[in-house]
Amino acid sequence: KAGVTQTPRYLIKTRGQQVTLSCSPISGHRSVSWYQQTPGQGLQFLFEYFSETQRNKGNFPGRFSGRQFSNSRSEMNVSTLELGDSALYLCASSKTGTGISGANVLTFGAGSRLTVL
Amino acid sequence: AQSVSQHNHHVILSEAASLELGCNYSYGGTVNLFWYVQYPGQHLQLLLKYFSGDPLVKGIKGFEAEFIKSKFSFNLRKPSVQWSDTAEYFCAVNGRGGGSQGNLIFGKGTKLSVKP
Repeated sequence: KAGVTQTPRYLIKTRGQQVTLSCSPISGHRSVSWYQQTPGQGLQFLFEYFSETQRNKGNFPGRFSGRQFSNSRSEMNVSTLELGDSALYLCASSKTGTGISGANVLTFGAGSRLTVL
Repeated sequence: AQSVSQHNHHVILSEAASLELGCNYSYGGTVNLFWYVQYPGQHLQLLLKYFSGDPLVKGIKGFEAEFIKSKFSFNLRKPSVQWSDTAEYFCAVNGRGGGSQGNLIFGKGTKLSVKP
């Protein structure tokens, strides 16, 4: 069973540019969440999508956006990049993202490491 | 505000020593609790989870955690650590209330270094 796949794994951008990251969830998983991981702030929730709808959003500026497609694959976009956006961006999927069963357990991908120069 | 506190930033132990990593949370309502582990160069993996029932839960690789509701705690334990347990450990919580529960709130993590 394939895990959560994130592309690209590494990328370097300059300030002011924009970036799009992609995530393919585990087959059958309909909930996709995105997290930003930095040494200083740790893991912070960006947003969650379920059935192509954003269900929840973290406390990030509007430069951070995302979407989910009908096949549950998700993308996130960061526009007008700043130096502080350098981070590991993690995608996680679960069957439903709700409830008190295994359907609510997140499986994480390896992440996309973004460096902003 | 919802938050998770992990008391130790870096723990250094010798092999065969016992481990206890502290985790306290602040969250209004009923919660689900998780411990994730990130081995060097690898992605986050689920170590164990608590949804309901027996507050003592067992996970992979001999780890266990105890949910103490009155103390808002979910401490991770292992009786005897191995060098291969060297990793960063994250405690996380989400709520069971209505709406999205894909929003995991993580602690800042505890780095565990095990000396051979």
